[in-house]
Amino acid sequence: IAGITQAPTSQILAAGRRMTLRCTQDMRHNAMYWYRQDLGLGLRLIHYSNTAGTTGKGEVPDGYSVSRANTDDFPLTLASAVPSQTSVYFCASSEQGAQDTQYFGPGTRLTVL
Amino acid sequence: GDSVTQMEGPVTLSEEAFLTINCTYTATGYPSLFWYVQYPGEGLQLLLKATKADDKGSNKGFEATYRKETTSFHLEKGSVQVSDSAVYFCALPNTGGFKTIFGAGTRLFVKA
Repeated sequence: IAGITQAPTSQILAAGRRMTLRCTQDMRHNAMYWYRQDLGLGLRLIHYSNTAGTTGKGEVPDGYSVSRANTDDFPLTLASAVPSQTSVYFCASSEQGAQDTQYFGPGTRLTVL
Repeated sequence: GDSVTQMEGPVTLSEEAFLTINCTYTATGYPSLFWYVQYPGEGLQLLLKATKADDKGSNKGFEATYRKETTSFHLEKGSVQVSDSAVYFCALPNTGGFKTIFGAGTRLFVKA
């Protein structure tokens, strides 16, 4: 069982370019999340989805969009990347919601120049 | 609003030393509390959790007790190993929702 996979592992991107970070889970969890991790700031929630077809905004949603076409996939898109979006991005899932254990992917390290 | 305050690191210990990482919280309702651990180059993984007041979570020699009277969930281990070197996060989910507040993380270095 793979759990959560993310792609790419790392990426260097020119400012203004569009980028989609991929996330797939094989645990049939209803809830999925995208976080960014920045030094000294812990993890901050970007967007979440409580079930296929439904998404919600987290703490830092500006500049990001998500979709949840099915249970397994939860891609994160940066429509026009800016240097402040340089970060490590983690996808996670849980059975139903935040009160359940979250399972994290290995992360995507994104650098925007 | 809800918040989590976690002791700043880094914490440097010798092998077999006692570890405490403090975590205090402010919350409405009665949330579960979590400790996650992040090893170098990896995503976070659950270390332990407690679902109600006075519960003690434990795993891999680590323990934390959910103390409502002091709003604390301090992480302890009696004898750390080099392999425990990692970043530890205290986490507070909002009751019935989808948002979790993570502490800033405490980096632990254990020297042989």
